[in-house]
Amino acid sequence: DVKVTQSSRYLVKRTGEKVFLECVQDMDHENMFWYRQDPGLGLRLIYFSYDVKMKEKGDIPEGYSVSREKKERFSLILESASTNQTSMYLCASTTRQGAVRETQYFGPGTRLLVL
Amino acid sequence: AQSVTQPDIHITVSEGASLELRCNYSYGATPYLFWYVQSPGQGLQLLLKYFSGDTLVQGIKGFEAEFKRSQSSFNLRKPSVHWSDAAEYFCAVGAGGNKLVFGAGTILRVKS
Repeated sequence: DVKVTQSSRYLVKRTGEKVFLECVQDMDHENMFWYRQDPGLGLRLIYFSYDVKMKEKGDIPEGYSVSREKKERFSLILESASTNQTSMYLCASTTRQGAVRETQYFGPGTRLLVL
Repeated sequence: AQSVTQPDIHITVSEGASLELRCNYSYGATPYLFWYVQSPGQGLQLLLKYFSGDTLVQGIKGFEAEFKRSQSSFNLRKPSVHWSDAAEYFCAVGAGGNKLVFGAGTILRVKS
């Protein structure tokens, strides 16, 4: 079974703090994604990575950056957290072979509260 | 640009009743369509997907979906709902490369 794990289920941070969200997958997937989930808005893509050290902006990259130094790990960074970044963050991974037809496998999510 | 509309934010059905969740998409070519489910406190899990061929797609947990090109729809159905089906359901369309565009979700409540 594919497993995608996220470092924290819940996080509480202060405005202006630098925040790191970590995601690890164990299936040797090339592609990894970070989404933000908000009620009434569904999932919105923040960034994705299709290989080590490669990244592309998604639909809402402002205020975020990412890092992928190893194939299995994809980190989301909030350089200076703001209250409007309070949200649920979901990581996903997929193999590249079938492109968009491939199933995305999701982690359990990190619920971030910025005070 | 691709988009997905799920018109129902909340739906409540009685246990044992049938279910239909609506999904409409906007996409120029033949779409790749997905339904995912998110149980409380969990990540998303794929229920089923459609790429081509038979327009009625079977998925896990007794769900099925029908692709109707003329209506730009991909509605999810289940003949008899169980209390464990209470969750949030997301429809998604492939958006080029490996990217998906998700709808806003429909929260299903099951009453006993």
